Amino acid sequence: QKEVEQDPGPLSVPEGAIVSLNCTYSNSAFQYFMWYRQYSRKGPELLMYTYSSGNKEDGRFTAQVDKSSKYISLFIRDSQPSDSATYLCAMSDRGSTLGRLYFGRGTQLTVWP
Amino acid sequence: EAEVAQSPRYKITEKSQAVAFWCDPISGHATLYWYRQILGQGPELLVQFQDESVVDDSQLPKDRFSAERLKGVDSTLKIQPAELGDSAMYLCASSLRDRVVGSTDTQYFGPGTRLTVL
Repeated sequence: QKEVEQDPGPLSVPEGAIVSLNCTYSNSAFQYFMWYRQYSRKGPELLMYTYSSGNKEDGRFTAQVDKSSKYISLFIRDSQPSDSATYLCAMSDRGSTLGRLYFGRGTQLTVWP
Repeated sequence: EAEVAQSPRYKITEKSQAVAFWCDPISGHATLYWYRQILGQGPELLVQFQDESVVDDSQLPKDRFSAERLKGVDSTLKIQPAELGDSAMYLCASSLRDRVVGSTDTQYFGPGTRLTVL
């Protein structure tokens, strides 16, 4: 069993829809949680960074962490065709640069006009 | 905006041949990472450098892979000999030295080198 599980999709939604992306994990030591977006043939770029439990909002994006359930989510409001990409969750027990990052396999999202 | 540079972007080679990838991190970033991303999977760390020193190479297949960062700036990842299962995207990332636990400093990724082994 991998330490981070993520449904690979694909997920296809119409423009304007609310998108929910999720990951589960098994290591209770994880405290730092990240979401990366990866366009085709590009490297991942950081979208959201959350420490411990709670919610964090940045524009149309909201990240949620529920450590009791070992479950993290990314919500995208008013989705746009430009949001079409693969979304990767990542997590660490000692911070994104002190410790190894463990990635999910990514969820492929398509937003159609 | 500063970016992590990688070359080549694409590499096709035959099995048993040697290949090398180059990475130039964002200026001033002390930490450098090499990841391997197999199609349909998330990146997996191969090796992490702090300046010129290796701090984590536990997942690097040392019988065929080697990595160096001689002057603590750019880095080279080598595979010799390449095997069919090495076909993947090789990503380089860099970050500032994280002096404060819990800071929001993070890893910035380059565009990757896509390797195909025939």
